[in-house]
Amino acid sequence: DIVMTQSPLSLPVTPGEPASISCRSSQSLLRGNGYTYFNWFLQKPGQSPQLLIYLGSNRASGVSDRFSGSGSGTEFTLKISRVEAADVGVYYCMQALQRPYTFGQGTKLEIK
Amino acid sequence: QAQLVQSGTEVKKPGASVKVSCKASGYTFSAHYLHWVRHAPGQGLEWMGHINGNSDDIRYAQKFQGRVTMTRDTSISTAYMELSRLTSDDTAVYYCARDLYIKGENVFDIWGQGTEVTVSS
Repeated sequence: DIVMTQSPLSLPVTPGEPASISCRSSQSLLRGNGYTYFNWFLQKPGQSPQLLIYLGSNRASGVSDRFSGSGSGTEFTLKISRVEAADVGVYYCMQALQRPYTFGQGTKLEIK
Repeated sequence: QAQLVQSGTEVKKPGASVKVSCKASGYTFSAHYLHWVRHAPGQGLEWMGHINGNSDDIRYAQKFQGRVTMTRDTSISTAYMELSRLTSDDTAVYYCARDLYIKGENVFDIWGQGTEVTVSS
């Protein structure tokens, strides 16, 4: 199975400041067609996970442009340009290259 | 708009089975795969398996092979996940998620609200 490792696991951020979460996969998520099968999700308190980023860097419908995904191969980053109170929750990375699809441990973002 | 609505909370005894439903609306049910993901207390998200629109492509994570059965009834736009021989380790919130399938990637774009399953004697 592909192992996904996130850092940090806890991320206190001052509102208005930027934030960054890293995710590493145990093998490259680049498929032969040139696409990278990697996603980011946010699970807000008491809610279901919601899709933020797909194919490594594409924002899902309705997602603020404060969120951006980057990376390739085995190293990926989610950046929030200016954190707001509504961004609190647990962020998960996920690989969709091969079954079983696997998630990172989660990064809990909280407001300072 | 498209949404998935799941069945309610379940409390089961060890050794029993649980069947969770996931009703779709606002989109063509048969056109999308559905995945099942669970979230156990203190654990991360765990993919359990998926089922396609025609129910002829059903795949389970090896961990659940032999204990999980995924089905769907297109006539009522509802998918089901049944897990048998429950233990306390199966205590979790179970989610269904629609697959948007973009450029060959399985993209979980819409999630159900989750069904809490507690296994306790």
